[in-house]
Amino acid sequence: GNSVTQMEGPVTLSEEAFLTINCTYTATGYPSLFWYVQYPGEGLQLLLKATKADDKGSNKGFEATYRKETTSFHLEKGSVQVSDSAVYFCALSGAGSYQLTFGKGTKLSVIP
Amino acid sequence: GAGVSQSPSNKVTEKGKDVELRCDPISGHTALYWYRQSLGQGLEFLIYFQGNSAPDKSGLPSDRFSAERTGGSVSTLTIQRTQQEDSAVYLCASSLSGLALFEQYFGPGTRLTVT
Repeated sequence: GNSVTQMEGPVTLSEEAFLTINCTYTATGYPSLFWYVQYPGEGLQLLLKATKADDKGSNKGFEATYRKETTSFHLEKGSVQVSDSAVYFCALSGAGSYQLTFGKGTKLSVIP
Repeated sequence: GAGVSQSPSNKVTEKGKDVELRCDPISGHTALYWYRQSLGQGLEFLIYFQGNSAPDKSGLPSDRFSAERTGGSVSTLTIQRTQQEDSAVYLCASSLSGLALFEQYFGPGTRLTVT
């Protein structure tokens, strides 16, 4: 079956530091890949997505590239802000499917 | 516009009681999903509705769980004879259609605590 593995948290960074949250997946065919974010006290929101190999999703300064050869979709941001403190979830949807399979989530705390 | 809404936001119940959780999807969204977010298991898919088609119940953990969607809009998730392991945040999401291309919009969740 499908599965998503992302780095364990929590991750604590200083403001303006570089962020990487690793995500790898197992799926048959060509899944769509997503990063969702959950800010404190709020619901899950889609941050970015990529639907085919080598696609780069980007939003709010975050980026992730769909790497078929390494089955990865790592999230990066060049300079984090305190407002980026949240829990980040990597997820996939199998080819032709609708069901999202999530990683366990990575809690990011950014300190001034 | 209005997003996905869920009620109640918090529910505390005694073990063995039945509970009903409600989800109001975004108007016009034909696809509706329920997920469960728990400390040990992360986010798990429970059930999916698409229009008038038979729902995909493959993620329901036991026959104590059921869900319905009336008139293609509001959905209710029912848990019978609740157990402590049912304690979790139950999330509802909706999308324009059930294809992966369409973003799933999540509600704020219902936090269920079984004592």
